[in-house]
Amino acid sequence: QSALTQPASVSGSPGQSITISCTGTSSDVGGYNYVSWYQQHPGKAPKLMIYEVSNRPSGVSIRFSGSKSGNTASLTISGLQAEDEADYYCSSYTTSSTHVFGTGTEVTVL
Amino acid sequence: EVQLVESGGGLGQPGGSLKLSCAASGFTFSGSAMHWVRQASGKGLEWVGRIRTKANSYATTYAASVKGRFTISRDDSKNTAYLQMNSLKTEDTAMYYCTSDTAMVRWGQGTLVTVSS
Repeated sequence: QSALTQPASVSGSPGQSITISCTGTSSDVGGYNYVSWYQQHPGKAPKLMIYEVSNRPSGVSIRFSGSKSGNTASLTISGLQAEDEADYYCSSYTTSSTHVFGTGTEVTVL
Repeated sequence: EVQLVESGGGLGQPGGSLKLSCAASGFTFSGSAMHWVRQASGKGLEWVGRIRTKANSYATTYAASVKGRFTISRDDSKNTAYLQMNSLKTEDTAMYYCTSDTAMVRWGQGTLVTVSS
């Protein structure tokens, strides 16, 4: 199972919106609505930000939103803040009953 | 307070074995699938494997990179999940995290495994 494809880096100024893509296949992202997004700050454990494509866990800012079209899922961060600077990973359930993570995206707040 | 605490990491020999534990508290462990995820230094997240609940026959699945070498188990009476790692390779060196539920909602802080002679 190959890793899902994410851009290596995305940047934006405070207050702007950015979108991170996550491209898979019909065997993972395109086949299930079990796509999640995680935020990871340096030296810390990942934190769930979005589950089942577009659902936010309790406590996660409404500035984070998720969507999916075909084999590509997306995470949008609106009103970018300095604290959003981190690595972001998508993940998906697969037809093999396994899970797969994306390659990861480093978000920089300019 | 919800907590997942990993332990058992350390130095392992190539070809050797290590067993990691993940102690859970603050939520219904027996009703939660449990995953292991690893991250080599400076690299991305890699899903290792998952064990389902008793209601789902404790079914397990594994990443191709560890299948046949690693085994996930759980003891619901102790609220603990385990990762038995055999035939260790240098490329198994990583921080190992346990995480709960299909969406990987809760995460531990990780335990570091180093495989080296």
